[in-house]
Amino acid sequence: DAMVIQNPRYQVTQFGKPVTLSCSQTLNHNVMYWYQQKSSQAPKLLFHYYDKDFNNEADTPDNFQSRRPNTSFCFLDIRSPGLGDAAMYLCATGRGGRVYSNQPQHFGDGTRLSIL
Amino acid sequence: QKEVEQNSGPLSVPEGAIASLNCTYSDRGSQSFFWYRQYSGKSPELIMFIYSNGDKEDGRFTAQLNKASQYVSLLIRDSQPSDSATYLCAVIGSSASKIIFGSGTRLSIRP
Repeated sequence: DAMVIQNPRYQVTQFGKPVTLSCSQTLNHNVMYWYQQKSSQAPKLLFHYYDKDFNNEADTPDNFQSRRPNTSFCFLDIRSPGLGDAAMYLCATGRGGRVYSNQPQHFGDGTRLSIL
Repeated sequence: QKEVEQNSGPLSVPEGAIASLNCTYSDRGSQSFFWYRQYSGKSPELIMFIYSNGDKEDGRFTAQLNKASQYVSLLIRDSQPSDSATYLCAVIGSSASKIIFGSGTRLSIRP
């Protein structure tokens, strides 16, 4: 089945220790998104790729970086995680142009990140 | 004022009844509207999308859009316990530069 896969489902890291979350898709969608969601809050967009074109949200901390080596894969790197970065991280894909498409997004199952 | 507002709930509805979830948005030029269902600890799952004023039906779900009043709603007929979840409203604004999620309404279907 075509889908969006995130690994790992649960990640525990130490304060300040870099961590990488991964996302892969078989939908062949040209846009990939990373969201951060904390308990009882709305998903917050961190950045998105339109093909290889990286688009950062203005309020995304510099601590968060992303890579998209090809259409199928996208990575979220947190360079020095702080306690406030503990959250669910959601990857989503969609079809669209350089601005947000009116097409819906398809989410992976998420990675729950804990910081010790 | 938040860009997309939802009542956080919980909204408690008896099994078999109609659940009505509402969402208002601030950008009058918004064009695309989505409803996602999110079970606890899981990722959002698309339920409905609507672009034009009026009603759109899909099975037990009906999305209603009123651009003049800037609200979008989701009706769930014949509510089932499996419908118990948080429902997120999402809107793409007029500039198409951002998708905004509401913080969700928690729905509980009581047997």
